[in-house]
Formats: sequence, structure tokens, C-alpha cells
Amino acid sequence: DAKTTQPPSMDCAEGRAANLPCNHSTISGNEYVYWYRQIHSQGPQYIIHGLKNNETNEMASLIITEDRKSSTLILPHATLRDTAVYYCIAPTGTASKLTFGTGTRLQVTL
Amino acid sequence: ETGVTQSPTHLIKTRGQQVTLRCSSQSGHNTVSWYQQALGQGPQFIFQYYREEENGRGNFPPRFSGLQFPNYSSELNVNALELDDSALYLCASSPGRSGSHTGELFFGEGSRLTVL
Repeated sequence: DAKTTQPPSMDCAEGRAANLPCNHSTISGNEYVYWYRQIHSQGPQYIIHGLKNNETNEMASLIITEDRKSSTLILPHATLRDTAVYYCIAPTGTASKLTFGTGTRLQVTL
Repeated sequence: ETGVTQSPTHLIKTRGQQVTLRCSSQSGHNTVSWYQQALGQGPQFIFQYYREEENGRGNFPPRFSGLQFPNYSSELNVNALELDDSALYLCASSPGRSGSHTGELFFGEGSRLTVL
């Protein structure tokens, strides 16, 4: 898997957009970028994935730079329930054998 | 709710014992993966099963073994337990062919193992 680098923690005020960055400068041309999150004491939850185009779903938006060396996960209106550890992953070969790092701990506050 | 269920949710064992953890995958999913998550760390890939065959293994010793059954449910077995095996064990299922490059994993809530 391509190495990914994320800040260890971030804060966000409720109702504001949360922008979580991820660096994956060694990503190869066919490696997707996946985002998962893990709320305390629960299993990881899939959020979104993309290859080179920006993606949006009901949970979040994923912005991938043109050179694919970094990406940003955007939660447009963060709520307290979005407090979790967010993992950025760029798996090699298959999306079912994932290498999780330590992720970014997002704290959403009132 | 992902439809992936794991049992037991919590258990305590002593060093040297053996443990079996169980996972029922989401309906229609034929690929099951197991992960170990130590406290404060991200999940680490143990192995994956596709249609009852092991299909990929992470950096875990042979005392970690598994099975997948015809209904695609799965077991993780750990022999000769060590203190460092204390962790949350997560099962994840996915649809379609093993080795698929895209698609999400559906995780269960995990089994928390404590080894004393």
C-alpha cells in the first residue's frame, strides 16, 4: 500500500466544514484512495473512495489533487456524531486487504 | 448496522489458552477479512478468506488460523495465547470477487479479547 500521512488530531466546531488532509505522495497510478472512520468502540465505517476525480456521496466529499499526491476529505456540516478517528488508505491490488495507519482523531465541539 | 455480526463481544483468556472468534458476514458477501486492533492503533490485516480458501495473509504467525464455511461465515482461531494478543478483533465482509480493486468493506463491531 502507498504510505499515507495524516495529522494526528483536528478540532472542528459543530456546523462547520471539517477538512481532513492526507498525503500519499508515493501513490501509484492504479491505487485508489479510501477513507474510513471509526467511532469509539465500534468497527470502522466506510466513507468514500476515489481514483483521480473528486467524489461526493451522502456522507462526504473527496478532493484529490491533480498529481494525486494528496487528498482532502470534507464533511460539509460536522456534527458531534462525526467525532471519530478518520483513516486515509491507499491499498495496493485489492480493497479488502487494508493497511490502516493511526489516522486523524477529529473532535467536533459545540 | 452493517449486517456483519461477531461473537463473543468480550472474552477473557489466560496465556497459553486457545480462542475461537466467530463472524457472520453480510448476506451475499463471499469474502471475509480479519483484522487485529491493539489499543491506540489502527486495525492490522490478519488474513482473508474467499470461497472457503485463504487468500492473503498479513504479518501474523501460524498460531493465527481461520476457516470460512460454505455459508461464508468465518472463524478466527488463535492458539497459545500471549499477552500481546489482547486486542479488538474485527471481521469485515465484502461482496464480489476477492482481489477486487474497488468497493467498501463492511465491518462488524468486533470481539474484544483480553489475555491475562
